[in-house]
Amino acid sequence: DAGITQSPRHKVTETGTPVTLRCHQTENHRYMYWYRQDPGHGLRLIHYSYGVKDTDKGEVSDGYSVSRSKTEDFLLTLESATSSQTSVYFCAISESGGLYNEQFFGPGTRLTVL
Amino acid sequence: AQSVSQHNHHVILSEAASLELGCNYSYGGTVNLFWYVQYPGQHLQLLLKYFSGDPLVKGIKGFEAEFIKSKFSFNLRKPSVQWSDTAEYFCAVNGEGNYGGSQGNLIFGKGTKLSVKP
Repeated sequence: DAGITQSPRHKVTETGTPVTLRCHQTENHRYMYWYRQDPGHGLRLIHYSYGVKDTDKGEVSDGYSVSRSKTEDFLLTLESATSSQTSVYFCAISESGGLYNEQFFGPGTRLTVL
Repeated sequence: AQSVSQHNHHVILSEAASLELGCNYSYGGTVNLFWYVQYPGQHLQLLLKYFSGDPLVKGIKGFEAEFIKSKFSFNLRKPSVQWSDTAEYFCAVNGEGNYGGSQGNLIFGKGTKLSVKP
């Protein structure tokens, strides 16, 4: 398995509180991604990064922000969590972008917003 | 915009039955295709991928998939399933220009749950 860890693995929080999820990789891959997985929706891309300090939006970016200050870390922040953000969040990494973008996934973080 | 359709939401099979899971995508340009598997409570793992060449690709654990360009399809097959194949299977497509950029991000189907009865 690729060296990807996510923290925390489980979190319960209340509506309106800020939440930060961390993805850490030891593969030195340039590209990192945040997805959310919801029943009936598959995986949807939230944000991605194509290098340190280089990020862009995905399909469902509203309410989320990201930062990448080091190659190995990609943070996802929910500025003010809402119940609709209850989900399982997966981080992924890939060595190359473009068409040959083979992604490897982390173990996931289950977030519950009450 | 690109989309990926997985026709079956839930498939139930007995052990030793043959499996075929459908995947169709909408995109007219060059694509690369993937199947991922997610075992209960685990993360996604790559089963197989198609970049170019032989349209019949073989993956891990006896799975294979066939890319039929004219049908925009990339169906997953296995001749004889086992109880341990119980999982959710996701088809994903990577085409140029997803999300307005050139990064080639993946678009996933909604997944097919496979339950194999012992």
